[in-house]
Amino acid sequence: GAGVSQTPSNKVTEKGKYVELRCDPISGHTALYWYRQSLGQGPEFLIYFQGTGAADDSGLPNDRFFAVRPEGSVSTLKIQRTERGDSAVYLCASSPDTNEQFFGPGTRLTVL
Amino acid sequence: GDSVTQMEGPVTLSEEAFLTINCTYTATGYPSLFWYVQYPGEGLQLLLKATKADDKGSNKGFEATYRKETTSFHLEKGSVQVSDSAVYFCALSDDGSGNTGKLIFGQGTTLQVKP
Repeated sequence: GAGVSQTPSNKVTEKGKYVELRCDPISGHTALYWYRQSLGQGPEFLIYFQGTGAADDSGLPNDRFFAVRPEGSVSTLKIQRTERGDSAVYLCASSPDTNEQFFGPGTRLTVL
Repeated sequence: GDSVTQMEGPVTLSEEAFLTINCTYTATGYPSLFWYVQYPGEGLQLLLKATKADDKGSNKGFEATYRKETTSFHLEKGSVQVSDSAVYFCALSDDGSGNTGKLIFGQGTTLQVKP
């Protein structure tokens, strides 16, 4: 079956612009996670959804970052007023429970 | 807070050599422990896991044992192949209140296996 997909695979934007990153989880997976991976580092947790609700958003770095999952499937990570420090690979993962997570290929965001 | 520390890379080995990648953790509860692998150009994949003390996870010839007394989860393989070249991440799941399953990762260790 299809795995987790993320679009776009690459996004280049200018400082101050708004961006949206999309995640399509594996069908039927109720748990969805967003992580951010900076160069040479491990992924860092951003936010966790159980169904439609954000059950844990403690990893979001500031109020420029926001994520939604309105129908309990597709999720969108939104970043306002992007800064150069936001440049990273943004990873999405889904899970049928809260055990094994299945990761997407990531979106590489570059803020110029 | 909870954290994971991995040995720094890169690790360079010849084919058929023995591999150890060290991983230690700090956690207030009783986390589950994982090794994820990222092959060149691919996404993160779960390699193996262990959910309680003394459990051994194994897959594709790799093994790791959950050692509560030393807070470690070292990854080992008896004979590496060129195809094992990848970045390996040790991780723990937050097992605190809420049981979110969110993962805390180490910084990753790059393994390069030469023929």
